[in-house]
Amino acid sequence: NAGVMQNPRHLVRRRGQEARLRCSPMKGHSHVYWYRQLPEEGLKFMVYLQKENIIDESGMPKERFSAEFPKEGPSILRIQQVVRGDSAAYFCASSLRRTGLDGGYTFGSGTRLTVV
Amino acid sequence: DQQVKQNSPSLSVQEGRISILNCDYTNSMFDYFLWYKKYPAEGPTFLISISSIKDKNEDGRFTVFLNKSAKHLSLHIVPSQPGDSAVYFCAASDTGNTPLVFGKGTRLSVIA
Repeated sequence: NAGVMQNPRHLVRRRGQEARLRCSPMKGHSHVYWYRQLPEEGLKFMVYLQKENIIDESGMPKERFSAEFPKEGPSILRIQQVVRGDSAAYFCASSLRRTGLDGGYTFGSGTRLTVV
Repeated sequence: DQQVKQNSPSLSVQEGRISILNCDYTNSMFDYFLWYKKYPAEGPTFLISISSIKDKNEDGRFTVFLNKSAKHLSLHIVPSQPGDSAVYFCAASDTGNTPLVFGKGTRLSVIA
């Protein structure tokens, strides 16, 4: 039973390019969350999705960032026209229940985005 | 504004002694609290949790204490082991309404 799978593990993009981060939740989990960790900072919530629906995107920057969780396939976090300030570790998590009780969320290993 | 605060960025403890990691929160709607452990280049892993109906939860060497009136929780690790060296994140939830809110983390170093 594989855990939360994120790819790629490392991603280097030049300023102005697009970054696409993928996340496959744990089997049976229908709730997906994206968090960002800037250097020396904690985990900041970005977006919460269920299949085909964005439930809460209150932590997502209004421009250049988008997320989806299609009926088939992984969840995708897309960053358009990346800037140096987007360099961070992006973590995806999934849970069985919306509340995240009984163990909270299961996290993937993250994608480390470097913008050069 | 930070709803979950971990005011100590780092902590060093000798092997075999007790490690105490602290966490404060401001949102009185939070009713479920968790601790996560994170090693470098890995994602956070769940360690222990506590519901607001309790004031203590124990799991082996790990105990979490909750003081609702002070909006404070702490994680005790006894005895501390070198493998416990990691960053520990405190997280809180307004159950079912908001995604987990994390603190900035405390880096624990257990010295042999």
